[in-house]
Amino acid sequence: QIQLVQSGAEVKKPGASVKVSCKASGYTFTNYAVTWVRQAPGQGLEWMGWISGYNGNTNYAQKLQGRVTMTTDTSTTTAYMELRSLTSDDTAVYYCVREDGYNLKLDHWGQGTLVTVSS
Amino acid sequence: QSVLTQPPSASGTPGQRVTISCSGSISNIGGNTVNWYQQLPGTAPKLLIYSNNQRPSGAGVPDRFSGSKSGTSASLAISGLQSEDEADYYCAAYDDSLNGWVFGGGTKVTVL
Repeated sequence: QIQLVQSGAEVKKPGASVKVSCKASGYTFTNYAVTWVRQAPGQGLEWMGWISGYNGNTNYAQKLQGRVTMTTDTSTTTAYMELRSLTSDDTAVYYCVREDGYNLKLDHWGQGTLVTVSS
Repeated sequence: QSVLTQPPSASGTPGQRVTISCSGSISNIGGNTVNWYQQLPGTAPKLLIYSNNQRPSGAGVPDRFSGSKSGTSASLAISGLQSEDEADYYCAAYDDSLNGWVFGGGTKVTVL
């Protein structure tokens, strides 16, 4: 079955960086993009950007440009999201999601990774 | 401030029909299909409806859930409301101007 398994919770200090991994299985990794979505405590869903599993092309949300980098390792079918210069506003659960571009749907979600930014 | 607009809450008694609206613009809902997600407390969102009105096969989504779209608005209907339907519901669409996904702010459904 299709699974996206994310790395564990992180606690970071303001100004630090975090890198979250997302191991995909059960489908052909290069046929789909991976989208990253975050959810601050008690808040709604926020799109962060996507990366093509085929060629690594990316598109990031404008508010995160310059602070976020998404990469993939096709040999291990793993996607990564790195966020730098963290502030308390970045405290959230981060989700990786398989994106079916043909049907325009985000259909399989990782379990989420809680990133807490606190001094 | 979410790009798509949903009511913050909705409620009904068991067996009732509840409808959630989602309003957008020509660059998202008006030009692309709409997805709906259910998020139970402490869990990741789950795809309920895609392509405006399609339930994902093999995902165990009851046919009590249905979706529709007209112009720049969409709606999710839950018929025969059950206690396990208490959750947050989000609409989503691809936005051609942003070249990315936009979401509604979420609607909390309460079963009275």
